[in-house]
Amino acid sequence: NAGVMQNPRHLVRRRGQEARLRCSPMKGHSHVYWYRQLPEEGLKFMVYLQKENIIDESGMPKERFSAEFPKEGPSILRIQQVVRGDSAAYFCASSPDSKPQHFGDGTRLSIL
Amino acid sequence: KQEVTQIPAALSVPEGENLVLNCSFTDSAIYNLQWFRQDPGKGLTSLLLIQSSQREQTSGRLNASLDKSSGRSTLYIAASQPGDSATYLCAALNSNSGYALNFGKGTSLLVTP
Repeated sequence: NAGVMQNPRHLVRRRGQEARLRCSPMKGHSHVYWYRQLPEEGLKFMVYLQKENIIDESGMPKERFSAEFPKEGPSILRIQQVVRGDSAAYFCASSPDSKPQHFGDGTRLSIL
Repeated sequence: KQEVTQIPAALSVPEGENLVLNCSFTDSAIYNLQWFRQDPGKGLTSLLLIQSSQREQTSGRLNASLDKSSGRSTLYIAASQPGDSATYLCAALNSNSGYALNFGKGTSLLVTP
């Protein structure tokens, strides 16, 4: 039973490019959460999605960031026109209902 | 707004020692509190989850306690080993939000042989 799969594990982008982070939840899990861990900071909640619906995006910056969880395929966190401050580890978690959550290994995003 | 604080930020102990990691939270209306382990460059591994109605949970050499009234949780590690070296995170799940975990910044533990 595979866990939460995130890819890529590491992503390097230049300022102004787009970053797409993918998350495949555990089998049978229809709830997905994204968290961001900035250097020397704790993990911060970004967005909570169920299949085809954004339930809560209150932790996500209003501009340049978007998330989706389509009926088929992984959840995608998209960051447009990346800036240096977007460098962080982005973690995805999934659950069969709203709790508890199982985490992936994260995507380390570096902005040049 | 829930604030979670972990003390100390870093800890170094010789192998074999028993140790306590502390976690405090400002809003006692929590659904549960969870302790995670994070190894460098890795994801989060759940260690123990304490429901709001529980006082403690144990798994092997680990014991976590919860005191909602004082807003505190502790993680006790018995007979520490070098393999325990990692960052330990605590996270509170609020009753009202129901899904957004509120994390502390973690305690970085180094167990020396």
